[in-house]
Amino acid sequence: DAGVIQSPRHEVTEMGQEVTLRCKPISGHDYLFWYRQTMMRGLELLIYFNNNVPIDDSGMPEDRFSAKMPNASFSTLKIQPSEPRDSAVYFCASSYNRGADTQYFGPGTRLTVL
Amino acid sequence: GIQVEQSPPDLILQEGANSTLRCNFSDSVNNLQWFHQNPWGQLINLFYIPSGTKQNGRLSATTVATERYSLLYISSSQTTDSGVYFCAVDSPNDYKLSFGAGTTVTVRA
Repeated sequence: DAGVIQSPRHEVTEMGQEVTLRCKPISGHDYLFWYRQTMMRGLELLIYFNNNVPIDDSGMPEDRFSAKMPNASFSTLKIQPSEPRDSAVYFCASSYNRGADTQYFGPGTRLTVL
Repeated sequence: GIQVEQSPPDLILQEGANSTLRCNFSDSVNNLQWFHQNPWGQLINLFYIPSGTKQNGRLSATTVATERYSLLYISSSQTTDSGVYFCAVDSPNDYKLSFGAGTTVTVRA
């Protein structure tokens, strides 16, 4: 398996623009997670899905952030409008089972908002 | 939510040295993982270890769930071991991984 795939790997945009990050989980994994990593806050969970349904979005920082999973092999994280404080590395991860299973992380998308 | 503390925050090693990293957590856990974030930012799974002991090459890990801590051992360290090591846990009531702040390891040739 190719592992978790994320695109783009790097994104530079200007404040106010819409940003869409993409993720393809490992085939057969029922859980998909979006994380954000910053120097100030470390790694934090934003939202997770089970069987394409959002289960917990309590980590989403504000309404400018939204995530969807239209099918088992694709998810998006959208920021609209983007702000400089959104600059971070965004990771997608997937697992076969909730909790008692290894989460596998993608390579991340490094977002810079100017 | 569950609290995760890692120590030490930074570790500088000479190539060939051994080291121990510690992870303390504040509640019972359903899942505990150790990750290595390499200098390119990739998060690599090292161990899934909510309890017991596991070994993989020069790395091994032990989790004592009843005492709420886990240890990661690096033996005969190499420069490629440099990076940040994270411990992450979730609790049976909250299946969300919470990460520690990490231990930054620098191995010098």
